[in-house]
Amino acid sequence: QVQLVQSGAEVKKPGSSVKVSCKASGGTFSSYTISWVRQAPGQGLEWMGRIIPILGIANYAQKFQGRVTITADKSTSTAYMELSSLRSEDTAVYYCARERVVSDAFDIWGQGTMVTVSS
Amino acid sequence: QAVLTQPSSLSASPGASASLTCTLRSGINVGTYRIYWYQQKPGSPPQYLLRYKSDSDKQQGSGVPSRFSGSKDASANAGILLISGLQSEDEADYYCMIWHSSASVFGTGTKVTVL
Repeated sequence: QVQLVQSGAEVKKPGSSVKVSCKASGGTFSSYTISWVRQAPGQGLEWMGRIIPILGIANYAQKFQGRVTITADKSTSTAYMELSSLRSEDTAVYYCARERVVSDAFDIWGQGTMVTVSS
Repeated sequence: QAVLTQPSSLSASPGASASLTCTLRSGINVGTYRIYWYQQKPGSPPQYLLRYKSDSDKQQGSGVPSRFSGSKDASANAGILLISGLQSEDEADYYCMIWHSSASVFGTGTKVTVL
């Protein structure tokens, strides 16, 4: 059974960047899609974008266009989400999630990575 | 106006049924979308419950009890998650989701309290 294991918590300064990883354990990306979803404290879920690792094709939510980059390393079955120009409003838990079929359900989720943006 | 609107909270007694609605913004027709439902408990990532578009296009998440089911109310332009026989373990936040213009959109979420 595939598990998604994310990197640890981060504390960043406003204006800096953060890069969070998501490694598929117990399997490979194969033809799956990996999305990134964030959740600010006490708030709802917000989709940021996704990548099809086998193709290297990514698409992003309009809100994050130009500020987020999602990449994948097929050799290590690891996806990455980099968010730049951080501000306090980016403080959130960031989740990666697998779509077993493109544009279908997120059936497996990572454990989440807390990113705190503070001066 | 949010694309997907959910009531912020709902309370029900153990053993009762709870109907959670997910209303699509005007101009977005519920009939053309698969509605996905997720359950999230405090401190944990969301878990996939089910998908519903029609009785011929639906899917239960792996290991999800049959007391969770999906439907639609076309007159209200809404997706519905029905939880039958509520249990204390069902106390959680519930989110609906659709794929709209190649982007995932989540609803505002409903907090379910089992009294």
